[in-house]
Amino acid sequence: DTAVSQTPKYLVTQMGNDKSIKCEQNLGHDTMYWYKQDSKKFLKIMFSYNNKELIINETVPNRFSPKSPDKAHLNLHINSLELGDSAVYFCASMTGVEETQYFGPGTRLLVL
Amino acid sequence: SQQGEEDPQALSIQEGENATMNCSYKTSINNLQWYRQNSGRGLVHLILIRSNEREKHSGRLRVTLDTSKKSSSLLITASRAADTASYFCATDAGSGNTGKLIFGQGTTLQVKP
Repeated sequence: DTAVSQTPKYLVTQMGNDKSIKCEQNLGHDTMYWYKQDSKKFLKIMFSYNNKELIINETVPNRFSPKSPDKAHLNLHINSLELGDSAVYFCASMTGVEETQYFGPGTRLLVL
Repeated sequence: SQQGEEDPQALSIQEGENATMNCSYKTSINNLQWYRQNSGRGLVHLILIRSNEREKHSGRLRVTLDTSKKSSSLLITASRAADTASYFCATDAGSGNTGKLIFGQGTTLQVKP
């Protein structure tokens, strides 16, 4: 009965590969987010979807493409992975009423 | 530029002592939130304080907000070893209803038993 889940938990891959990270929330929330946390623990928002509609799109390389097939899912596809993409990626969700966000456990991506 | 900056970056105390962490931000806000991150885990929401509030309590947590100084503090009283974690402040930076949060770089707290 995990609230926000992400798969995979760990991802080790070679430079130049394409990979996807999946996120699902069972909280009935309307809004979902992707964040990137670097090695210094700095957490930066990347994208947000509200009911399958993109509402936040920060300055992120267009190698990163989010997809929301329904409001419970928000996936992140990364093309042509680079060394600098190594980080922990967090998915989060939020209702339209509360202003607090619920985070997934993170996906640790290491690009070699 | 980064909205929230936290101070200190690292804090080490003995169990039972109080821990105070500070956060400064740059733009006007509707609210400020504090989150905790245990090692290797996701962030967990602790407390939200609105721009028209000055102080808020939740259990052993006390948060203050000074909008004139654009700063907030988180006080954890009677700390426990289980409080060992990183603590982040986050502001909405007046972003309307998108829920966009801007996080500080966090304070790493170690509570020694």
